[in-house]
Amino acid sequence: DAGVTQSPTHLIKTRGQQVTLRCSPISGHKSVSWYQQVLGQGPQFIFQYYEKEERGRGNFPDRFSARQFPNYSSELNVNALLLGDSALYLCASSLLWDMNTEAFFGQGTRLTVV
Amino acid sequence: SQQGEEDPQALSIQEGENATMNCSYKTSINNLQWYRQNSGRGLVHLILIRSNEREKHSGRLRVTLDTSKKSSSLLITASRAADTASYFCATDLDSNYQLIWGAGTKLIIKP
Repeated sequence: DAGVTQSPTHLIKTRGQQVTLRCSPISGHKSVSWYQQVLGQGPQFIFQYYEKEERGRGNFPDRFSARQFPNYSSELNVNALLLGDSALYLCASSLLWDMNTEAFFGQGTRLTVV
Repeated sequence: SQQGEEDPQALSIQEGENATMNCSYKTSINNLQWYRQNSGRGLVHLILIRSNEREKHSGRLRVTLDTSKKSSSLLITASRAADTASYFCATDLDSNYQLIWGAGTKLIIKP
C-alpha cells in the first residue's frame, strides 16, 4: 500500500508569490491534516479536513487556505508568501477525524521563500 | 502554541545504552503520542497511549504516562545508530481534531 504522498518535495518561491502543495492520503483514509514545521521546532497545526469539510483551523492567517477533493486528496494554498513561510509542510492522513488514532505523515514539502 | 515540552532538548549516548526522553503537557488529554523524525523529513508514529493507560510497550520502546503530573516518558532500550533522530510527543486537545506538539528531543547515538 502506498503511504501518504506529497508533492512537490522541494519548492523555491519569491516573496509575494502563491504556492499550492498537494497531498494524497492513504487509501481509505478520509481525514487529511496539514502542519507547518519551522526548523528546530515541532509541527504547528494548520488545517484538518474530513469528508471534504473543514473540521479545524489553526492560528494561521487567511493567506492560508485548503480544500479536500472527492477522492480525499488535498491541496494547501498559501498566498502572498512571506519569508517566514519558509518551512517544511507536512500532510497527515488518518482513518478517523479525531486524534485518538495514529496519524500517518508524508515526507513533507520543503518550501523556501526568497 | 505548544502543549508539550520535551526534555532534554538534546541527548547523546553510546550505542547499546538506554535513552530516556520526557514530555510534559499543560491541559487534560485523551491520548499522547510519540513520533520519530529523521533528518527533518516525515514523522513516523511510534506509540499512542491513552489517558487511562499507564504504560505501553512496543519492541524496544516503553512509554509511561502520569496524568497527575501531566508527563510522559519514552524509553528506548539497547539503542542503535538507526535510532538517531528527533523524537516528538504530541497530544490532542478537547477539540480533538488537532495534535499539539512539543519542540522535540534530538537523540544522537554514537557508535
